[in-house]
Amino acid sequence: DAGITQSPRYKITETGRQVTLMCHQTWSHSYMFWYRQDLGHGLRLIYYSAAADITDKGEVPDGYVVSRSKTENFPLTLESATRSQTSVYFCASSRTVYNEQFFGPGTRLTVL
Amino acid sequence: GENVEQHPSTLSVQEGDSAVIKCTYSDSASNYFPWYKQELGKRPQLIIDIRSNVGEKKDQRIAVTLNKTAKHFSLHITETQPEDSAVYFCAATPYSSASKIIFGSGTRLSIRP
Repeated sequence: DAGITQSPRYKITETGRQVTLMCHQTWSHSYMFWYRQDLGHGLRLIYYSAAADITDKGEVPDGYVVSRSKTENFPLTLESATRSQTSVYFCASSRTVYNEQFFGPGTRLTVL
Repeated sequence: GENVEQHPSTLSVQEGDSAVIKCTYSDSASNYFPWYKQELGKRPQLIIDIRSNVGEKKDQRIAVTLNKTAKHFSLHITETQPEDSAVYFCAATPYSSASKIIFGSGTRLSIRP
């Protein structure tokens, strides 16, 4: 699905560093989401956005910051990375909350 | 609060047999129930969804049933094939917060040859 991309695909960082994960979609979908996926925990919602400049917390928002100044971009920032934030991060977008969510390829983040 | 429970967490079936995955939800006002499939190392992808005004929906070997009274919905896969091996996630849209969906914890389905 070339319509939604994430960068970087892999990232290794150290505890305490700031890290930003990028997400870009070309469909002009209103809704965008950030999930983290750890073994045994499925998909856990970090933050979501219903439109540009509208964001809200999900299930596990602590330690993360998001912004959405443009409809197509939804960056996720780890302000001070911790080892517990080692995970695979998926970004997703959908036209409405009642439509299919299209997931990006994921970013594998390792915090040493 | 909003919650979606999914069972079983792992399921192994003989190739050609049927597989059933069940989910329950807590918000009685939920009205959209998608199912996603995630193959190893790949992103989740929608395989089927159902809305609250429908009791059952089929797409070839896949079907989903919804029981709103009992607040549960199920995924049925018939004539399973090796390519059905994956993790399956159910989800529900809680009406109380109509800007997100809540995912179940996932079911790892393995198809034995």
